[in-house]
Amino acid sequence: DQQVKQNSPSLSVQEGRISILNCDYTNSMFDYFLWYKKYPAEGPTFLISISSIKDKNEDGRFTVFLNKSAKHLSLHIVPSQPGDSAVYFCAANVRGGADGLTFGKGTHLIIQP
Amino acid sequence: KAGVTQTPRYLIKTRGQQVTLSCSPISGHRSVSWYQQTPGQGLQFLFEYFSETQRNKGNFPGRFSGRQFSNSRSEMNVSTLELGDSALYLCASSYGQSGDTQYFGPGTRLTVL
Repeated sequence: DQQVKQNSPSLSVQEGRISILNCDYTNSMFDYFLWYKKYPAEGPTFLISISSIKDKNEDGRFTVFLNKSAKHLSLHIVPSQPGDSAVYFCAANVRGGADGLTFGKGTHLIIQP
Repeated sequence: KAGVTQTPRYLIKTRGQQVTLSCSPISGHRSVSWYQQTPGQGLQFLFEYFSETQRNKGNFPGRFSGRQFSNSRSEMNVSTLELGDSALYLCASSYGQSGDTQYFGPGTRLTVL
């Protein structure tokens, strides 16, 4: 039973446009959400996070939106750059819990020139 | 500040052997978590250590074990290797317990022949 789902295995976006990556979760106990970016043969790199007490968090070109009622979050990248091409993982956990991060399967973002 | 380091980066073993992987967290971080990444299952939580104590373990057999030392460095051990243990093993560190943002190392690629 997947508690964190990324339903788009891949996404292709033109350079300069907005990239929107989506993530859904089923466990209502999750209260902390993170996005990671991963290149092949490397570990995931932390991008941005959001606590369940917020509905938006912004850091430079990256913005994460959280819709608790829909159990949905999204990562917006504006403008998209060639170096953004990577696999993006959505992750969630319960703060103070001990179950580690629960990851989605990832979305492969391809930025077209 | 140096990031999370993992050694070795690549390892080839045969079925039935055992393997020990090492992780050095970011300086000052007290929590170390281990994850397994495979193409079929994605990123899955193995276990978390905080102050030399295992806080929790994911759904993995007893062949997977670990420990943490007083300097927060951690090792994980897999005994009686099986072909299905071939994976990228990732270590992540955080300042506090697993609810904090986790920062990942580059991983150890284990191939079991």
